[in-house]
Amino acid sequence: DAKTTQPNSMESNEEEPVHLPCNHSTISGTDYIHWYRQLPSQGPEYVIHGLTSNVNNRMASLAIAEDRKSSTLILHRATLRDAAVYYCILRRAGGTSYGKLTFGQGTILTVHP
Amino acid sequence: DAGVTQSPTHLIKTRGQQVTLRCSPKSGHDTVSWYQQALGQGPQFIFQYYEEEERQRGNFPDRFSGHQFPNYSSELNVNALLLGDSALYLCASSLTSRGLDYGYTFGSGTRLTVV
Repeated sequence: DAKTTQPNSMESNEEEPVHLPCNHSTISGTDYIHWYRQLPSQGPEYVIHGLTSNVNNRMASLAIAEDRKSSTLILHRATLRDAAVYYCILRRAGGTSYGKLTFGQGTILTVHP
Repeated sequence: DAGVTQSPTHLIKTRGQQVTLRCSPKSGHDTVSWYQQALGQGPQFIFQYYEEEERQRGNFPDRFSGHQFPNYSSELNVNALLLGDSALYLCASSLTSRGLDYGYTFGSGTRLTVV
């Protein structure tokens, strides 16, 4: 599986934008970039995914570098409820790793009031 | 719309015992995956079930087994429990026909403690 690298932790103030980076220099052409977050005492929650183009949904935006070797999850206005561990995951079409999500350590986001 | 339901929420077992965890997928989903999450770590993939068959398996010993029923619900069984099996066990459901252009829905997990 292609590997992702994320900072161990980041901090933000409430109502400010947050940019969570992810490096995936060994990404292949068929890898989708998925983001999940895990709030305390809960299972992971799907946030957003993309392949090549930037994506927006009600939770966040995903900016994907032109060479696809990195991506950034953008929370436009952080709230205290956004404090969580954020995981950047590559999912490959086909092959033996098709079905599984390979979680790394993720980024612990702390939001200050 | 109910999401993924897991039972029980907490469980305490003794070393050497066997345990069965249960999962009901989100309505409309046909695929169930199981993950183990040790404290402070990211979830680790155990296996995935689709059409009542184990489709993929992670790096877990044969003590970990599962089953999927015709209504798409699933069970995870762990035999000969070890202290190291203490973890949060997560179930995730999805719809295989949607492929990768789709997110998984996770349950809140079962917290297993082996003493």
